[in-house]
Amino acid sequence: DAKTTQPTSMDCAEGRAANLPCNHSTISGNEYVYWYRQIHSQGPQYIIHGLKNNETNEMASLIITEDRKSSTLILPHATLRDTAVYYCIVRVKGATGANSKLTFGKGITLSVRP
Amino acid sequence: DTAVSQTPKYLVTQMGNDKSIKCEQNLGHDTMYWYKQDSKKFLKIMFSYNNKELIINETVPNRFSPKSPDKAHLNLHINSLELGDSAVYFCASSQLPGAYTDTQYFGPGTRLTVL
Repeated sequence: DAKTTQPTSMDCAEGRAANLPCNHSTISGNEYVYWYRQIHSQGPQYIIHGLKNNETNEMASLIITEDRKSSTLILPHATLRDTAVYYCIVRVKGATGANSKLTFGKGITLSVRP
Repeated sequence: DTAVSQTPKYLVTQMGNDKSIKCEQNLGHDTMYWYKQDSKKFLKIMFSYNNKELIINETVPNRFSPKSPDKAHLNLHINSLELGDSAVYFCASSQLPGAYTDTQYFGPGTRLTVL
């Protein structure tokens, strides 16, 4: 799996948009960008994934650059409950065998302030 | 209804003991995983089972032995516990690898403390 790099931490004000960047300059053509988050003392939670088109669901939007070397996760209206560690992961979708695992990096700690 | 459940939530034990952590998923998934999160918060895969068959076995001491009695359960047994085994262990499940939707769903974790 390609490696990803994320800032260590960031914060944003409650109600504002949180834009979380991720670099994945060595991503392969068949690799997707996945985002998971881990709220304190809980298990990781899936947020969204995409290949090259922008994606949106009820939780967030994912913007992937045209060259696919970086992406941004957008939480449009951050709340205090969005305070968590956010992981950007690159992997082949539907990978089988040993590649079916998720390889977590250090993630970015998002702190939402009142 | 809890999708992926683990028991116990907390486990405190002495060095040298043998303990088990249980995991159950009611999502009808075929694949289950064990991840370990150490004190530095790094999450790493340990094992995965696909329909009761071992698929992934990362570099984990053989004191750790996963057991899958059926595809809804994946238990983790640890022999001769050591201080370094102290961590949070997460179980996860997903549909069959290769399926269109391969989101992994995680349990709440089991915090193991070895004294």
